[in-house]
Amino acid sequence: EDQVTQSPEALRLQEGESSSLNCSYTVSGLRGLFWYRQDPGKGPEFLFTLYSAGEEKEKERLKATLTKKESFLHITAPKPEDSATYLCAVPRGSDKLIFGTGTRLQVFP
Amino acid sequence: DTEVTQTPKHLVMGMTNKKSLKCEQHMGHRAMYWYKQKAKKPPELMFVYSYEKLSINESVPSRFSPECPNSSLLNLHLHALQPEDSALYLCASSQILVNTEAFFGQGTRLTVV
Repeated sequence: EDQVTQSPEALRLQEGESSSLNCSYTVSGLRGLFWYRQDPGKGPEFLFTLYSAGEEKEKERLKATLTKKESFLHITAPKPEDSATYLCAVPRGSDKLIFGTGTRLQVFP
Repeated sequence: DTEVTQTPKHLVMGMTNKKSLKCEQHMGHRAMYWYKQKAKKPPELMFVYSYEKLSINESVPSRFSPECPNSSLLNLHLHALQPEDSALYLCASSQILVNTEAFFGQGTRLTVV
């Protein structure tokens, strides 16, 4: 069965303390992996799409990478405004997205 | 412009009420989605429309009735809801089906009393 697992479930960082979030997946024939950021009570905000192993995408303090079994979201020198839940998702079939359970990130000043 | 607009932002309704949620996008996307999200859980897919036709109904109870009047609009009609239906309802759209990134609206926070 296709599955997406994210770890850790929650992460507390001091401002400036770099870390990584993990998204591991078991789907046959990966056709993309998406990262989203979600603030409380708001809709997910699209961050990145990765399509093939070895691919990397960057945006400000965030960098997403993809291997054949997992993706990492690296956060360099985070700031309090980076606090949010980070979700990864993969397509299943032609019209469904499977979401991971998310990582709740808190960055303290 | 990657905006998906949902109205209303908040809705409180009684169990005997009928209400509708609205979603609009002007990105030319041909796939639109309704998701339901409970606190501290990921979004759960409810319905998918592709080229204005219902593509997927994830065994959603009939008290939720989707409608896609045209390629830019998506409605979710609500009737006789239960308190456990209280949640954040999210609309999303993508250029085609899910091989391309989906953009989400800000959601409607629904409370059923």
